[in-house]
Amino acid sequence: IAGITQAPTSQILAAGRRMTLRCTQDMRHNAMYWYRQDLGLGLRLIHYSNTAGTTGKGEVPDGYSVSRANTDDFPLTLASAVPSQTSVYFCASSAGQGSDTQYFGPGTRLTVL
Amino acid sequence: GQNIDQPTEMTATEGAIVQINCTYQTSGFNGLFWYQQHAGEAPTFLSYNVLDGLEEKGRFSSFLSRSKGYSYLLLKELQMKDSASYLCAVGDSNYQLIWGAGTKLIIKP
Repeated sequence: IAGITQAPTSQILAAGRRMTLRCTQDMRHNAMYWYRQDLGLGLRLIHYSNTAGTTGKGEVPDGYSVSRANTDDFPLTLASAVPSQTSVYFCASSAGQGSDTQYFGPGTRLTVL
Repeated sequence: GQNIDQPTEMTATEGAIVQINCTYQTSGFNGLFWYQQHAGEAPTFLSYNVLDGLEEKGRFSSFLSRSKGYSYLLLKELQMKDSASYLCAVGDSNYQLIWGAGTKLIIKP
């Protein structure tokens, strides 16, 4: 592994189903982030973690949850998916807090029907 | 509120120079970033400015004026591979990045 990986690459999901998007980094970065990117809008922060064991809410946290059990992994869970959660989801990491350079995973394209 | 403004789309000719502007209003300032994002791919880091002035890195340069809440990305000797979206992001007082919607740059031969 080099950098950040995300899985799955893409997914079509029925509304109401539970889904976990996976993110793993091997750079030993302290901070990790989940963003969603929608056409015509900037990247919007969903949740973040400044260090293992801590998480925080971003701009659009409703309907999503995260955990940070260790440095490398930062999964994002949609407890009960809704069509408005159709988006491209990017995981990112940085050595320090948000004003450090962030490095992005390849993204997960999620469609909720 | 916090706001980052960039033009939605720009068109330029291969070999030419283009300047992409970004204006911002944020609660606090902890640096300004430019990222490049090719269609269907992840954003990749281009430049970081925290002090006023021009930062040059090869064909790309980035300028910052904190008093004016203004930055630009200058791309010289444009190549077809420079066709991409360019994202401006500012670190706010909570050390979170606030992102612009991006400028789609179209390069024509």
